[in-house]
Amino acid sequence: QSVLTQPPSASGTPGQRVAISCSGNSSNIGMNTVNWFQQFPGAAPQLLLYSNNRRPSGVPGRFSGSKSGTSASLAISGLQSEDEADYYCATWDDSLKGRLVFGGGTRLTVL
Amino acid sequence: QVQLVQSGAEVKKPGASVTVSCQTSGYNFTTYDINWVRQAAGQGLEWMGWINPNSGNTGYAQSFQGRVTLTKNTSKSTAYMELSNVKFQDTAVYYCVRGRRDSLNYYNVDVWGQGTTVIVSS
Repeated sequence: QSVLTQPPSASGTPGQRVAISCSGNSSNIGMNTVNWFQQFPGAAPQLLLYSNNRRPSGVPGRFSGSKSGTSASLAISGLQSEDEADYYCATWDDSLKGRLVFGGGTRLTVL
Repeated sequence: QVQLVQSGAEVKKPGASVTVSCQTSGYNFTTYDINWVRQAAGQGLEWMGWINPNSGNTGYAQSFQGRVTLTKNTSKSTAYMELSNVKFQDTAVYYCVRGRRDSLNYYNVDVWGQGTTVIVSS
């Protein structure tokens, strides 16, 4: 059971906007910023967003993030077929002497 | 560019130990923690622990306490993860991933190694 809660699946058609939620509590998302990762089958996760909403160089502006209280959200606008992947949220949790915690992942399907 | 390159796949029998290395390049090894994360087939990401290459301080997930040991060799810019007494359910891909606190003291992880497959089989 993952510490952060994400929907197991999401879908959209090309060009659409899709949002993926990530829910935590006061010891993790409530106290820290959220990172988002994109993972393709057979590959390592790659950083998509850090500090809730900041994009590393090379990540398209179609990807955006937000955080409010103990929840965060990843939004993908202008959905493209190449966005079909698994998405994970992650943050630091200050309980149990500190630990990195992840969401269970959301499989995004582009219809 | 920043790279984390991990050692190759391993096949171990139950009860054995396995060590995975993570050789870093492109940045100052001592300025970022190395975290270890594993992923069983078709499953999500599970954090195992971290090591600060500067101080040598470590932190471990409760579920791995006593079975995982994280070490580093600063002269080789390499971190190591040893998992002892492996079980069938330890079969997974193991990743190292770089992390550190930003100027506001928030923890971020960014660059991942390519992953190392560990298979536990009798």
